[in-house]
Formats: sequence, structure tokens, C-alpha cells
Amino acid sequence: GDSVTQMEGPVTLSEEAFLTINCTYTATGYPSLFWYVQYPGEGLQLLLKATKADDKGSNKGFEATYRKETTSFHLEKGSVQVSDSAVYFCALSANTGFQKLVFGTGTRLLVSP
Amino acid sequence: DSGVTQTPKHLITATGQRVTLRCSPRSGDLSVYWYQQSLDQGLQFLIQYYNGEERAKGNILERFSAQQFPDLHSELNLSSLELGDSALYFCASSAQGEGIYEQYFGPGTRLTVT
Repeated sequence: GDSVTQMEGPVTLSEEAFLTINCTYTATGYPSLFWYVQYPGEGLQLLLKATKADDKGSNKGFEATYRKETTSFHLEKGSVQVSDSAVYFCALSANTGFQKLVFGTGTRLLVSP
Repeated sequence: DSGVTQTPKHLITATGQRVTLRCSPRSGDLSVYWYQQSLDQGLQFLIQYYNGEERAKGNILERFSAQQFPDLHSELNLSSLELGDSALYFCASSAQGEGIYEQYFGPGTRLTVT
């Protein structure tokens, strides 16, 4: 079945450092890809998405590019802030039929001042 | 605020008991999804309803059931509870059922089974 693999956390960075969180997927066909963020005590919020190969999703300084050849959707940000500390989930869904999200295990990001 | 509400926020109950979790989707959304987040299983899709009908099923135990009512709110019923059912249960809603529509998540219900 479909699956998503994320890098283990926690990722610990200093403020203004560059962030990369790796995500690879296994799926039949061509899924849509998502990054969700979960702040402490809250539900998940969609951060960005890409629905086809070579699409780049971006939001709030975060970016991820849908790479079909490497089945990857790595999350990047040029300069992290303390407020970016959260758990980040990579997810996929099929592009046809009824959408259900398949999530990775999540990566905790800790940013210190 | 996503517009999706879930009650209660926290629930503590004993093994063998039955509980009901409630979800109200965003105004106008027809599709409701339930997910379970636990330490050992991560975030897993349980079940989806669209306009009152069950449309997709994931790793949902037979002890669990759900329904969506005519006003589109949904309830997840968990019975014969076990310690391993302790988890955060999320509800999400989207405008439609098929295709690529953003899912908006509620704040979750934290269930603790003692």
C-alpha cells in the first residue's frame, strides 16, 4: 500500500538556520503531496501542497518540490524562527476517488534563540 | 481556527467502557474524516463519511463505529475500550468527497483509557 517515510527527529536548530526535513513516498499512480504542521496542543494545519510532478508548494517561507524521479517531497526553509517549533508531517493522497491522507511519522523541530 | 469543532477536548474512562466523540465540520463541508494519532501507530485514517454515507474505511477496529447525521455532524463511537485505544482522535472536513480538496482538522479529542 501507499506509505510515507520521514526523517527521524527531533531536529534541533538555532534561529536563522537553514531547515531541511526529508520525506519520501511509495504510491501507485501519481499522488498529491502535503506538508502539515502541528503546534503544541493544536490540530494539524495544512502548510503547503503539490498536486503533480515538478510542482513547488510554498507558504510562510517554507517550500517543497514534488520530485517524481526520486519520489521525494523534502521540506525546506531558509531561515527558521523560534515560532516554527512544531511537529511536521508529510502526507499523500490519491488524486482520484475519495481522498484519505496517508501520513509519515512526523518530525519534531525545535528552534532555539 | 479551522472551523472544525470537536467535543469533548479530553476524556478519561476505564477499560471496557464505551464513549462517543463528536465532530462538527466547517460550514458547508460535506465530507468528514476521522483519524487516530497514537505514539505507536502514528496518524492513521479510520473512516470517511460524505453527506451521510460511509465512503472509505481505513484501519478501524470492529469495536469502533461512526455515523454522519443529516446536519452533517459526525460521531465516533468506541466500545469495549482497551488501554491501547488511548490516543488523540482527530476529525477533519473537506468541501467534497472525491478529488483534491483540502482537509481542515479539528483540535482533537484526547482519550485516556485507564
